[in-house]
Amino acid sequence: DAMVIQNPRYQVTQFGKPVTLSCSQTLNHNVMYWYQQKSSQAPKLLFHYYDKDFNNEADTPDNFQSRRPNTSFCFLDIRSPGLGDAAMYLCATSRAGREQYFGPGTRLTVT
Amino acid sequence: GESVGLHLPTLSVQEGDNSIINCAYSNSASDYFIWYKQESGKGPQFIIDIRSNMDKRQGQRVTVLLNKTVKHLSLQIAATQPGDSAVYFCAESSSGGYQKVTFGTGTKLQVIP
Repeated sequence: DAMVIQNPRYQVTQFGKPVTLSCSQTLNHNVMYWYQQKSSQAPKLLFHYYDKDFNNEADTPDNFQSRRPNTSFCFLDIRSPGLGDAAMYLCATSRAGREQYFGPGTRLTVT
Repeated sequence: GESVGLHLPTLSVQEGDNSIINCAYSNSASDYFIWYKQESGKGPQFIIDIRSNMDKRQGQRVTVLLNKTVKHLSLQIAATQPGDSAVYFCAESSSGGYQKVTFGTGTKLQVIP
């Protein structure tokens, strides 16, 4: 089945230790998104790729970076995680102009 | 900035009854609206969408109503089932060419057996 896959599902990292979350898709969608979702809150868009074009949200901290080496994969890099970065990180994809399909998310814990 | 918000944080409904979840938006340029369902520990799941040139759209057991005059959106779920228990988000977009959406604050739907 075509889907959005996120690995790992649970990630524990230490304060200040870089961490990378990954997302892959078999939908061949040209747009990929990264959201941060904290408990009982709505998903907050961090950035998205439209094909190879990177679009950063104005309020996304510099601590968050992303890479999209090809259509299928997208990575979220957190350079120096702080306690406030503990959250669920959601990857989503869409074909331009259509609804977004979300992965199951990666729950990040910072110790 | 522009925002999308929900009126009720929690809604409790008896199994078999109809549910109505409401959403207000403030961006008059919004032209595409989506409802997502998010179960605990999972990513949001698309339920139904509606474009601004429509005021009603029906799916399987769900109906979305759009009132552009008062910038209001609602999701109606017929014959609510325990499996409908989740958090429901409305989202809006005004991007035109591609969907960059803004999520509302979410309503938790609790279905009482």
